[in-house]
Amino acid sequence: DVKVTQSSRYLVKRTGEKVFLECVQDMDHENMFWYRQDPGLGLRLIYFSYDVKMKEKGDIPEGYSVSREKKERFSLILESASTNQTSMYLCASSFAGSNQPQHFGDGTRLSIL
Amino acid sequence: RKEVEQDPGPFNVPEGATVAFNCTYSNSASQSFFWYRQDCRKEPKLLMSVYSSGNEDGRFTAQLNRASQYISLLIRDSKLSDSATYLCVVNSRGYQKVTFGTGTKLQVIP
Repeated sequence: DVKVTQSSRYLVKRTGEKVFLECVQDMDHENMFWYRQDPGLGLRLIYFSYDVKMKEKGDIPEGYSVSREKKERFSLILESASTNQTSMYLCASSFAGSNQPQHFGDGTRLSIL
Repeated sequence: RKEVEQDPGPFNVPEGATVAFNCTYSNSASQSFFWYRQDCRKEPKLLMSVYSSGNEDGRFTAQLNRASQYISLLIRDSKLSDSATYLCVVNSRGYQKVTFGTGTKLQVIP
């Protein structure tokens, strides 16, 4: 069974802090993704990576960066957290190929005060 | 026009009923299609892929209509446990990027 693990289920941070969200997958998937999900807006892609040290911007990359130093780990970084980054953050992974489904972690509910 | 559109619902149906959802997509070059299920405050989970010829998994049937650019999900003999939000997913950008619909909420009533 695919296991995608996110480091925290709930996180509270302050405006201006640097925030790290970690994601680890155990299926040797090539692709990894970071989304945020907000009511009425659905899932929006922030960044994705199709290989170690490779990254591509998604639909809403502003205010975020990512790091993929190892195949199994994909980190999302909020450089200077702001209140509009309060959201549910979901990590996903998949094998390479456009017909491969993504598998999600449990999500991190992040609140920025 | 949104890339992927779904009726948000909610669809309130009695147990045992048959219910169907559609999802329209705008890019005729879209390549792959999926249905996910998301329970309240949980992560999306893959329900089924959608194949060109249509496919069935127990009580669930998925169809693809390329000419009209929509996919559908049919649930027969609805159970209380089917209550969830159903997300359609369309890969329309080629390499590895997918677009999620905002979901259709289903509530199965005893």
